[in-house]
Amino acid sequence: DVKVTQSSRYLVKRTGEKVFLECVQDMDHENMFWYRQDPGLGLRLIYFSYDVKMKEKGDIPEGYSVSREKKERFSLILESASTNQTSMYLCASRGAWGNTIYFGEGSWLTVV
Amino acid sequence: DAKTTQPPSMDCAEGRAANLPCNHSTISGNEYVYWYRQIHSQGPQYIIHGLKNNETNEMASLIITEDRKSSTLILPHATLRDTAVYYCISPMDSSYKLIFGSGTRLLVRP
Repeated sequence: DVKVTQSSRYLVKRTGEKVFLECVQDMDHENMFWYRQDPGLGLRLIYFSYDVKMKEKGDIPEGYSVSREKKERFSLILESASTNQTSMYLCASRGAWGNTIYFGEGSWLTVV
Repeated sequence: DAKTTQPPSMDCAEGRAANLPCNHSTISGNEYVYWYRQIHSQGPQYIIHGLKNNETNEMASLIITEDRKSSTLILPHATLRDTAVYYCISPMDSSYKLIFGSGTRLLVRP
């Protein structure tokens, strides 16, 4: 069964902390994505990666960075967490062109 | 990019068909149309996708107009569990970027 797994479902962090959100997919997909979702704003793309060590900025990359050292793993990093980064974060992956996109269950991050 | 436009909300009666429209007038020839839904607090769930032909699976049917500028997702017999936000998306053709709009909030009434 295909799966995108996000390491943490719920996190509470303090302002200024460095936060790592991990995502692993078991489908050998080339493309991986990080979104955040906020009420009334829909899903907004933070970063995506189309290959190992490759990344591109999405619509709201400020305050975030990513790492893709292995094909199956895509990490989102908040260098210095701020309260406006409180949100639900969604990881997704997709294979070759036209293939289905699979989402993880989401990580709810609260920054206090 | 192929921007999609959906009505913000719709409702239908349980047991009836739910028809959710989507406009994607700037879609290019090799861009697929995907439909997802999201129930509160969960990640989006894949429903169906298509390129130019109509598609059907165990969850829904997808009707794409001949000019590919719009599509309709059909839930043939809506149930209360189909209450969710439905997203129609179409990837960019060059950089594999996915762009989600605000979606349609479907309410299925008992």
